Amino acid sequence: QLQLQESGPGLVKPSETLSLTCTVSGASISSRSCYWGWIRQPPGKGLEWIGSIYYSGDTYYNPSLKSRVAISLDSSKNQFSLKLSSVTAPDTAVYYCAGPREGYCGGGSCYYYWGQGILVTVSS
Amino acid sequence: EIVLTQSPATLSLSPGERATLSCRASQSVSSYLAWYQQRPGQAPRLLIYDASNRATDIPARFSGSGSGTDFTLTISSLEPEDFAVYYCQQRRDWPITFGQGTRLDI
Repeated sequence: QLQLQESGPGLVKPSETLSLTCTVSGASISSRSCYWGWIRQPPGKGLEWIGSIYYSGDTYYNPSLKSRVAISLDSSKNQFSLKLSSVTAPDTAVYYCAGPREGYCGGGSCYYYWGQGILVTVSS
Repeated sequence: EIVLTQSPATLSLSPGERATLSCRASQSVSSYLAWYQQRPGQAPRLLIYDASNRATDIPARFSGSGSGTDFTLTISSLEPEDFAVYYCQQRRDWPITFGQGTRLDI
C-alpha cells in the first residue's frame, strides 16, 4: 500500500518560487513504470493538473504553467518535487501529489494514491 | 487541449435515488476516462478508471459507461456518504484535463 506525503512551506511571497516535495512510501518510485503527478485546487474551485513525471524522468506540464514549472525525481530519497516560480495570488491552492495503483491505466495518469494535500498561500 | 464538460453542475437528490452524472469530451478520449469523488476537506478518491473499471474497494452501486466523447457515472442507490463533488478526468492526450465537477446535494 503506497502512501504519499506532501511537504513544504505553507506561505510563499509573491514573485518567489513555491517548492514542494512528495515523499512516497511503500514502493520504489524508480521501479514502477508509471507517471507521478502534481494537481492543485484553488479554494472553492476544481482540480487543475500541473504536471507529471515518468519514472525515467520524462516530464509533461500544463501549457498554462509550463514556463514556470519544473518537476523532478530523486530516486535515492523516493521523492518527487515541484517548483513553481514567480508565484502570484492565483497560485494559492491546495497542492496534491498523486500516483497510480499498479495494474491500473497501464501506469498512465489515473490517480489512485493521493497525498493529503498541502495548502500553499501566496501573500506578502 | 481536450475540454471536459460535466453536467449538471449541481444535482439535488435524496438517499435511495439513482444519480446519473455526465461528462462530455471536446474530442475522442477513447476509454481513457476516470471518475473521482471528493468530499469536503479530503483528497479526491478514484472511483472508476478507463471508463468502466471500478477501483479497489469502490462499492458496486458506482458504475461507469461510455467511450469516445460521452461518458456517464451512475450511482444506483444513493447513500448519505455519496453526497460530494464528482470530477471526470481524461488521460488520452497531454495535457491531462479535469471536468469542472458536479456537486451532488441532498
